[in-house]
Amino acid sequence: SAVISQKPSRDICQRGTSLTIQCQVDSQVTMMFWYRQQPGQSLTLIATANQGSEATYESGFVIDKFPISRPNLTFSTLTVSNMSPEDSSIYLCSVEVGIDYGYTFGSGTRLTVV
Amino acid sequence: TQLLEQSPQFLSIQEGENLTVYCNSSSVFSSLQWYRQEPGEGPVLLVTVVTGGEVKKLKRLTFQFGDARKDSSLHITAAQPGDTGLYLCAGEQDSNYQLIWGAGTKLIIKP
Repeated sequence: SAVISQKPSRDICQRGTSLTIQCQVDSQVTMMFWYRQQPGQSLTLIATANQGSEATYESGFVIDKFPISRPNLTFSTLTVSNMSPEDSSIYLCSVEVGIDYGYTFGSGTRLTVV
Repeated sequence: TQLLEQSPQFLSIQEGENLTVYCNSSSVFSSLQWYRQEPGEGPVLLVTVVTGGEVKKLKRLTFQFGDARKDSSLHITAAQPGDTGLYLCAGEQDSNYQLIWGAGTKLIIKP
């Protein structure tokens, strides 16, 4: 299965600022997924990032707020822009390894906006 | 909106007891995956079931996929404190590459 390095692992940010989260995969993957999760709760998909094309955003998430880059098949970034306390959450990136191996996740970025 | 209803949402039991977590839907899934997540980490895949009626065992964990591929269960025998975590089910459909997630079950095993 793939190994994902995600950073930062946590951050405390001032409202109105932006934070960029990075995910590096140890193998080439077509699609990368970005999720948001409140502690102890399920995952909500933010967007799907394909290399060479614009990310596809889910309902309730927009590119201006959550711009995504996917410069190659092993790397992606998610930026949380103009942050407010409501953006405080855990952000996770994920890739699909194959039907028998499911999805591999990064260790998450715990964001607190003050 | 397709739903995958997971229950219970919270479970706290003593070490040595048995437990079952359920995921139910009115939709058919091509596969259903079970994950466990510990604090500060991402979810880690436990098992994928793809065939209706399939049963998979992983030590003390038994996973079942319903005959109609609409529901699944996770049974833990003789739970141990190391089983503590957030358990998530997620369904995949042929028509959509996205996973549909259950609400999660927060499991605490008390020594």
